[in-house]
Amino acid sequence: EAQVTQNPRYLITVTGKKLTVTCSQNMNHEYMSWYRQDPGLGLRQIYYSMNVEVTDKGDVPEGYKVSRKEKRNFPLILESPSPNQTSLYFCASSYSSGGTEAFFGQGTRLTVV
Amino acid sequence: KNQVEQSPQSLIILEGKNCTLQCNYTVSPFSNLRWYKQDTGRGPVSLTIMTFSENTKSNGRYTATLDADTKQSSLHITASQLSDSASYICVVSAHQAGTALIFGKGTTLSVSS
Repeated sequence: EAQVTQNPRYLITVTGKKLTVTCSQNMNHEYMSWYRQDPGLGLRQIYYSMNVEVTDKGDVPEGYKVSRKEKRNFPLILESPSPNQTSLYFCASSYSSGGTEAFFGQGTRLTVV
Repeated sequence: KNQVEQSPQSLIILEGKNCTLQCNYTVSPFSNLRWYKQDTGRGPVSLTIMTFSENTKSNGRYTATLDADTKQSSLHITASQLSDSASYICVVSAHQAGTALIFGKGTTLSVSS
């Protein structure tokens, strides 16, 4: 089954404690991206990757890092989480950046206290 | 500036009724327009994708229309069901690398019995 898998689904952490949210896709997609979703603001792109070892900032990259060492995986790293990063996070993948359908993961609800 | 505006922000209808959601966009150069359905706390799921040359596309009880001249799209839901209660997000893709998807903030639909 074609899917994008995020882990964990729920996470509560404390300010400053480094964390990683994993994302994996099994569709051999080249393009992957991370979004955060906040009430009244919709989905905003954090980082994206056009292919292995190619990453770039989206609209709201501050406080986040990513890596793309393999085509299927695109982890999101919060080196020093802060309460304003409390949000619902989605990973998405597609064959290309804009012309093809994007598949979203089930989401990770992160709370930073 | 590339933007996608959706209306109404929220909508309540009775089960069995029809409804229409609106999307206006100012995105250039235009590639395609997508409608996604997002259940609460879940990842968005694609309903339709339309390119410049398509003016209507159906997916079961969902019918999307696109007027590329006026830069407007609508999503019509026929014979609504309780399971249609969700957020509906209009997403426009631009012909550019990287951050190619521009998201609307969504319309929250509640179907009551």
